Amino acid sequence: NAGVTQTPKFQVLKTGQSMTLQCAQDMNHEYMSWYRQDPGMGLRLIHYSVGAGITDQGEVPNGYNVSRSTTEDFPLRLLSAAPSQTSVYFCASSYLDSYNEQFFGPGTRLTVL
Amino acid sequence: QQPVQSPQAVILREGEDAVINCSSSKALYSVHWYRQKHGEAPVFLMILLKGGEQKGHEKISASFNEKKQQSSLYLTASQLSYSGTYFCGTEMGNQFYFGTGTSLTVIP
Repeated sequence: NAGVTQTPKFQVLKTGQSMTLQCAQDMNHEYMSWYRQDPGMGLRLIHYSVGAGITDQGEVPNGYNVSRSTTEDFPLRLLSAAPSQTSVYFCASSYLDSYNEQFFGPGTRLTVL
Repeated sequence: QQPVQSPQAVILREGEDAVINCSSSKALYSVHWYRQKHGEAPVFLMILLKGGEQKGHEKISASFNEKKQQSSLYLTASQLSYSGTYFCGTEMGNQFYFGTGTSLTVIP
């Protein structure tokens, strides 16, 4: 099993550009989520999904869109990048039961100039 | 809604013990603990559930006080490999909230 994979590992954008961060998992997990990690702020939930076709907003959703067309994939779209979106982004997945561990991808380090 | 952790940072010598605390202003139904090494993704350590059930790491223990809405992670006889940032987390209605983290450094 590859676990949770994310691409790209690094990305530099100019203000106003758009891009999609890819996330995929091969563990048949129902729950998938996106977090951003900023110094001193810990991990903050951006969007999450409890199954294909179902997504919802987390704590910091502004400026981001998600979709979940399959169980395996959960891409995160930045609509118009801003310097405030400079961060490390982690995708995670787990079984829907909250009493299960989350598996994290390796992360994407995004810089917006 | 973000859990609060203390201390923010701690430095230990190998073999020493440490306690990391996590508290929430909201009712806790479960507490998750993760460790993140520099430049890597967070890795699951353990889950504590209401009623005292635990799932997770063999060499790390934790407590969960539901009434006080607090959890503590106990690292005993620390090893160099314990260095990293520790996060507690809690789930509320399918949304997961992590604490701000505790940086633990173990030195020889």
